[in-house]
Amino acid sequence: DVKVTQSSRYLVKRTGEKVFLECVQDMDHENMFWYRQDPGLGLRLIYFSYDVKMKEKGDIPEGYSVSREKKERFSLILESASTNQTSMYLCASAVRQNHEQYFGPGTRLTVT
Amino acid sequence: AQTVTQSQPEMSVQEAETVTLSCTYDTSESDYYLFWYKQPPSRQMILVIRQEAYKQQNATENRFSVNFQKAAKSFSLKISDSQLGDAAMYFCAYGSSNTGKLIFGQGTTLQVKP
Repeated sequence: DVKVTQSSRYLVKRTGEKVFLECVQDMDHENMFWYRQDPGLGLRLIYFSYDVKMKEKGDIPEGYSVSREKKERFSLILESASTNQTSMYLCASAVRQNHEQYFGPGTRLTVT
Repeated sequence: AQTVTQSQPEMSVQEAETVTLSCTYDTSESDYYLFWYKQPPSRQMILVIRQEAYKQQNATENRFSVNFQKAAKSFSLKISDSQLGDAAMYFCAYGSSNTGKLIFGQGTTLQVKP
């Protein structure tokens, strides 16, 4: 079975802090994705990556950056956390040509 | 740009009955994929069913089936013999063959009554 893990299930940070969310997949998938999930809005794509050291902006990249130094790991960085970044963050991975994404358990981030 | 719309924020069904969740999408692409994902309360999102746009036959997966109407850009999910474990939020998603990105609808929360 594909396994996608995220470093924390719950996280509380203060405004202005730098926040790192880590995601690791164990199936050698080329594609990795970061979403945020908010009630009534579904999932919105923040960033994605097709390969190591490659990244593409999604629909809502403002306030976020990403890093993919190894194929299995994709990190989401909030350079200076703000209260409007309080949300559920979901990581996903996929085989390049398959399009079927496998999701991690999510990190519920609260910024106070 | 592609969009996905789920017009039913909440649905409920009696255990053992059948329920249909609606989804419409908009695209100018001819080659794409459609998915239904399930997110149980406090649990991981999992794939329920997928449909390739070039296939005319509707996908089925045990008690789950879809009604794919390509011309109408409609992709509904039918759950037969509903079980308590089907209670979850369901997301419809459009997958672009060009980019591999998924675009999600707003989600439908399904309640199953015993």
